[in-house]
Amino acid sequence: SQKIEQNSEALNIQEGKTATLTCNYTNYSPAYLQWYRQDPGRGPVFLLLIRENEKEKRKERLKVTFDTTLKQSLFHITASQPADSATYLCALKGGGADGLTFGKGTHLIIQP
Amino acid sequence: NAGVTQTPKFQVLKTGQSMTLQCAQDMNHEYMSWYRQDPGMGLRLIHYSVGAGITDQGEVPNGYNVSRSTTEDFPLRLLSAAPSQTSVYFCASSRPSTGVGETQYFGPGTRLLVL
Repeated sequence: SQKIEQNSEALNIQEGKTATLTCNYTNYSPAYLQWYRQDPGRGPVFLLLIRENEKEKRKERLKVTFDTTLKQSLFHITASQPADSATYLCALKGGGADGLTFGKGTHLIIQP
Repeated sequence: NAGVTQTPKFQVLKTGQSMTLQCAQDMNHEYMSWYRQDPGMGLRLIHYSVGAGITDQGEVPNGYNVSRSTTEDFPLRLLSAAPSQTSVYFCASSRPSTGVGETQYFGPGTRLLVL
């Protein structure tokens, strides 16, 4: 069956360091992969999209990699700040017209 | 633009009651979706629509109905509420030039408690 796995435990990172979050998937051939940020009590907010033919995407302090051989995406936040503390969700789009399939998310805590 | 709006923010229902969760968007997005989010389960797709008059089922459609009479609105109906439908419900919309699932814009959510 199709599966998306993200670190289920909270990730604690010291301010200023690089935070790296992992998204692994099985039994998918995704057209693209997305990362969203979700703060408590709010809806997810889109951050980055990376397509199957792209290896890396950057946006300010964010970087996403996509390895379709390893079936893995890594999400990096450089020079992390306490304001980056949130839950980060990865989502896959397979073929067809239906919506995204989301991972359960990783709770990131940036400590001052 | 208000983006995606949802009402109500909170709702308590008794088992067997029906209700409609409202969702509206003002971005002229063709594609709209409903998700539920439960602890430890992540976001799961309930129903989606690729345009006015067209709807389809997602991963967990049982107990829910949808309709799409206009581009702007996509209400979700609970026919006979059950405690298993206690959840946070998110509506989302996608850009018209791309498919369902691309760069989704989410509403603030509706928290539903079924007693």
